[in-house]
Amino acid sequence: DTGVSQDPRHKITKRGQNVTFRCDPISEHNRLYWYRQTLGQGPEFLTYFQNEAQLEKSRLLSDRFSAERPKGSFSTLEIQRTEQGDSAMYLCASSFRGTEGEKLFFGSGTQLSVL
Amino acid sequence: QKEVEQNSGPLSVPEGAIASLNCTYSDRGSQSFFWYRQYSGKSPELIMSIYSNGDKEDGRFTAQLNKASQYVSLLIRDSQPSDSATYLCAVKGSSNTGKLIFGQGTTLQVKP
Repeated sequence: DTGVSQDPRHKITKRGQNVTFRCDPISEHNRLYWYRQTLGQGPEFLTYFQNEAQLEKSRLLSDRFSAERPKGSFSTLEIQRTEQGDSAMYLCASSFRGTEGEKLFFGSGTQLSVL
Repeated sequence: QKEVEQNSGPLSVPEGAIASLNCTYSDRGSQSFFWYRQYSGKSPELIMSIYSNGDKEDGRFTAQLNKASQYVSLLIRDSQPSDSATYLCAVKGSSNTGKLIFGQGTTLQVKP
């Protein structure tokens, strides 16, 4: 399977715990994005990387959230001291710039439930 | 004002009809526009992209772009029950950024 891979698919945690998600992009894609989606809403941008550089981070993202892409391949998203409001689907996407421009392809997501 | 706005629906059409989904955006300098389909419990799937004013057709799907009116639409011809999903409009803004801004999505129901 050469699509975007995310792990785990589901995560249940208690409030105050730290969680970490992993994303493996499509191998030839150099950009990697993290989005968050809650029920009935569209995906909300969190951050994105070009290779290993984090180029943009949403102003809505608290300092409890951190993302890395250390070697320009896979990425991790960590949430520290989780809160119930962090419960959401966390989506990773990767992209390439083709002849028609840039297109994002999403992984299956990690569903986070904070109890 | 939201950056990308869609009517959340649901939009209900009979099988075989044309479904018309609409989206408006606030950044006048936006250059790239996308439609994603999202089935319940699944991740968004890219179905159309459009970059120039006018129509772009791909099978039963037609994307329409009017930059002067800041309006994007998606037409689905010969709608099938399998088209029942949430359709997300996404826009890449004019600033030097790669991020896409998504609307909240329109739920489409195609009734047999």
